[in-house]
Amino acid sequence: AQSVTQLGSHVSVSEGALVLLRCNYSSSVPPYLFWYVQYPNQGLQLLLKYTSAATLVKGINGFEAEFKKSETSFHLTKPSAHMSDAAEYFCAVSDPSGGYQKVTFGTGTKLQVIP
Amino acid sequence: GAGVSQSPRYKVAKRGQDVALRCDPISGHVSLFWYQQALGQGPEFLTYFQNEAQLDKSGLPSDRFFAERPEGSVSTLKIQRTQQEDSAVYLCASSLARGTGELFFGEGSRLTVL
Repeated sequence: AQSVTQLGSHVSVSEGALVLLRCNYSSSVPPYLFWYVQYPNQGLQLLLKYTSAATLVKGINGFEAEFKKSETSFHLTKPSAHMSDAAEYFCAVSDPSGGYQKVTFGTGTKLQVIP
Repeated sequence: GAGVSQSPRYKVAKRGQDVALRCDPISGHVSLFWYQQALGQGPEFLTYFQNEAQLDKSGLPSDRFFAERPEGSVSTLKIQRTQQEDSAVYLCASSLARGTGELFFGEGSRLTVL
């Protein structure tokens, strides 16, 4: 069964500092991996996705993530945090057992950016 | 439409009442998904449709939950005899093509059961 684990339900960084949000996945077959962001009172939107092409994936708003099979990880990073990055971030996985249709989400990490 | 539209945005129900939540996906999107998001949790999969066919309903928590998409467009999630544990945000998402995992979400319907 596919699943993701997000380490840290809350992360605080200073404006301009590195953002690192951790995600580890569990899947018996090569998965697709995603990061979604949810701003207050809004729906989730896709930040970036890995679908077995390049292992370093770049997304919107300067975010990127690297797929590391040996570590079963897909951590999200951004070199310099901006106040507008404050939101909740969800790691997600889908795998071929369900035709890559069923997407399973982690419990989320709330990012606070301190001025 | 421009995005996924859900209604109502907020619903308060007394325990035991039936509720219906509507989702209008992006025009042309084949796949439609329902998720339940409890406070402080990630979205939990409920069910999904490809056109009008409900291909997976393994996440529906009980037989009080029912979803339909009769014409392959608008979908309704119905909850019968609501209970307090049903209180959550119900998210609808649609996808253009099968198997991409790229979901477009609505803003959700927040259900509070008193």
